[in-house]
Amino acid sequence: KNEVEQSPQNLTAQEGEFITINCSYSVGISALHWLQQHPGGGIVSLFMLSSGKKKHGRLIATINIQEKHSSLHITASHPRDSAVYICAVRQHADKLIFGTGTRLQVFP
Amino acid sequence: DAGVTQSPTHLIKTRGQQVTLRCSPKSGHDTVSWYQQALGQGPQFIFQYYEEEERQRGNFPDRFSGHQFPNYSSELNVNALLLGDSALYLCASSLEQHGYTFGSGTRLTVV
Repeated sequence: KNEVEQSPQNLTAQEGEFITINCSYSVGISALHWLQQHPGGGIVSLFMLSSGKKKHGRLIATINIQEKHSSLHITASHPRDSAVYICAVRQHADKLIFGTGTRLQVFP
Repeated sequence: DAGVTQSPTHLIKTRGQQVTLRCSPKSGHDTVSWYQQALGQGPQFIFQYYEEEERQRGNFPDRFSGHQFPNYSSELNVNALLLGDSALYLCASSLEQHGYTFGSGTRLTVV
């Protein structure tokens, strides 16, 4: 069993839909990251969370430390949101453990 | 303010050869981590450098080695390349408990 599990693996949506991507982890962490990876390979950091909730534009990330679960929400989705979204947890030794990613496609 | 710069962007090597990948961290960052991402998989931690020393290492063989220079830039070296080493190699820089900044990666193909 992977230490970081994401669901779903693949997600398709119509433009404007509300999207949720889930991440569960089984190890102790100091922070959780949500990352976005486009087809070229480069990774952009969206959020770093250690508790509660963060919002940036149409993106919202939440984390429940007790349940070891985090969610990434995208409101009013747009085709430019199409990418792979990766959850990564930061262990106390400053190492990142990545999930396998959720491939999102948003159609106009 | 430049982010993380990796070079080269693409590389093709033959089995058995050696390769060196380079990473310049974001200005102000002192820690560099390297990750290997196989097609369709999440990145896997290779190792991390801080103060010119390897601070942590993942489950990769000794064929994978690295270096960090006084200006915090880093190199990843892979010896005796195998077909299975074909992947996207990502470099990420960070400073203490702040967030990571990732490079665009080097896509290595071993033939």
